[in-house]
Amino acid sequence: NAGVMQNPRHLVRRRGQEARLRCSPMKGHSHVYWYRQLPEEGLKFMVYLQKENIIDESGMPKERFSAEFPKEGPSILRIQQVVRGDSAAYFCASSLGTELYGYTFGSGTRLTVV
Amino acid sequence: GENVEQHPSTLSVQEGDSAVIKCTYSDSASNYFPWYKQELGKRPQLIIDIRSNVGEKKDQRIAVTLNKTAKHFSLHITETQPEDSAVYFCAVRKGAQKLVFGQGTRLTINP
Repeated sequence: NAGVMQNPRHLVRRRGQEARLRCSPMKGHSHVYWYRQLPEEGLKFMVYLQKENIIDESGMPKERFSAEFPKEGPSILRIQQVVRGDSAAYFCASSLGTELYGYTFGSGTRLTVV
Repeated sequence: GENVEQHPSTLSVQEGDSAVIKCTYSDSASNYFPWYKQELGKRPQLIIDIRSNVGEKKDQRIAVTLNKTAKHFSLHITETQPEDSAVYFCAVRKGAQKLVFGQGTRLTINP
C-alpha cells in the first residue's frame, strides 16, 4: 500500500503563474481532504471532495483557488495567479469516508512563490 | 462551526518527565478526537485517537483522556524521550465530516 501520494514535493512558481498540486489517495479511499499549513502555523481545512463531487469547500478562498477529484486520476488543487502569500505546505489526506476511520496524510507539496 | 483551542502553544520538559497537552472544543456533537505528531518538514502522523463512547485510551507511553461533559480532551506522554520532540496537533470531527485542528503545541524534551 503506497499510502497517500502527493506531487510534486516542492514547487516553485513566480508571481502570477499557476500552481497545480496533485493527490492520489490510498487504494480504496474515495474521500480526499486538502489542508494548508503556513510556516509555524496549524493545519487549515480547505476543501473536502469525493469522486466527481465537492462536499465542503468552506475553507477555500473565493478567488484563484479550485479543486477537483475526477472519476479517473488524482485530485488536483489549482491555484491561479499565485501571490507570495500562497507560499505554504499543502497537505492532502484521504479516508474511507465513514466516521469509523481517521485520515492518512500525504507528504505534502511545499509551494514557494518568488 | 467547530472551534478547537489547544494549550499550551509551547511546552518544555525534562527527559523522563511527563507532558500533558489539552484541547477544548465547542460542538457537543463531535465524536472523534485524534492527535497528530508532526516533525519538522514532515507530514502529520496519527499517534492516537479516541471516540466519544470511550473515556480513556492508552498506547504504551501515550494516552488520551476525553471529558465529553466539559468538552475537553488531553494527550499524556509519560517517560518522555528526545524523539518525542515535535509539534503535536489535536483535532475534532463530527460524523464523517472534516477534521478541525487545534493550533499546535511545540514540545521540546530537554536531555
